[in-house]
Amino acid sequence: LAKTTQPISMDSYEGQEVNITCSHNNIATNDYITWYQQFPSQGPRFIIQGYKTKVTNEVASLFIPADRKSSTLSLPRVSLSDTAVYYCLVGDNQAGTALIFGKGTTLSVSS
Amino acid sequence: EAGVAQSPRYKIIEKRQSVAFWCNPISGHATLYWYQQILGQGPKLLIQFQNNGVVDDSQLPKDRFSAERLKGVDSTLKIQPAKLEDSAVYLCASSPWDGLKGYTFGSGTRLTVV
Repeated sequence: LAKTTQPISMDSYEGQEVNITCSHNNIATNDYITWYQQFPSQGPRFIIQGYKTKVTNEVASLFIPADRKSSTLSLPRVSLSDTAVYYCLVGDNQAGTALIFGKGTTLSVSS
Repeated sequence: EAGVAQSPRYKIIEKRQSVAFWCNPISGHATLYWYQQILGQGPKLLIQFQNNGVVDDSQLPKDRFSAERLKGVDSTLKIQPAKLEDSAVYLCASSPWDGLKGYTFGSGTRLTVV
């Protein structure tokens, strides 16, 4: 699995857009970029996954440049309930591939 | 769809005692994982099962940790004897053998070793 680097922490205010960038310089051709979110006292949960360009769902958008060496998770108009740890994971999307977590980015949203 | 069930929710034991955690995955999910999450860190994979067979247990401290998944459904993780550094949240996850996005995690068991 490719090594990822993301900021340890970020602060934001309610209503702002938050962008969390993840670096993965050694990403392989078959690797996908997957983001998980973890609230306090809960297990991580899947947010979004992409391979290239842009992916959007009801929760977030994921921007991946052409060289795929980085990616940006975008959370539109955050609220207090978006306070959580966000993990960027990179690996092939084959069945049975285990999730290997780094330290993640702790996002704190204030009013 | 019911989630991944784990019990107990909390456990406090003295060092050198033994403890067991139980996990019931989502019905039909072939793959089950146990993770250890120490405060302030990301989850660390301990063991991965495919049905009732072990796929990867390279990070499991086998001198004190053991895990089994009988009949390819429920799983138990045991620690014997416990050390202070085993204090952590133990997370169980299951997936339908479908890549990186199909994981569902339980809420975990918070273990405190005193």
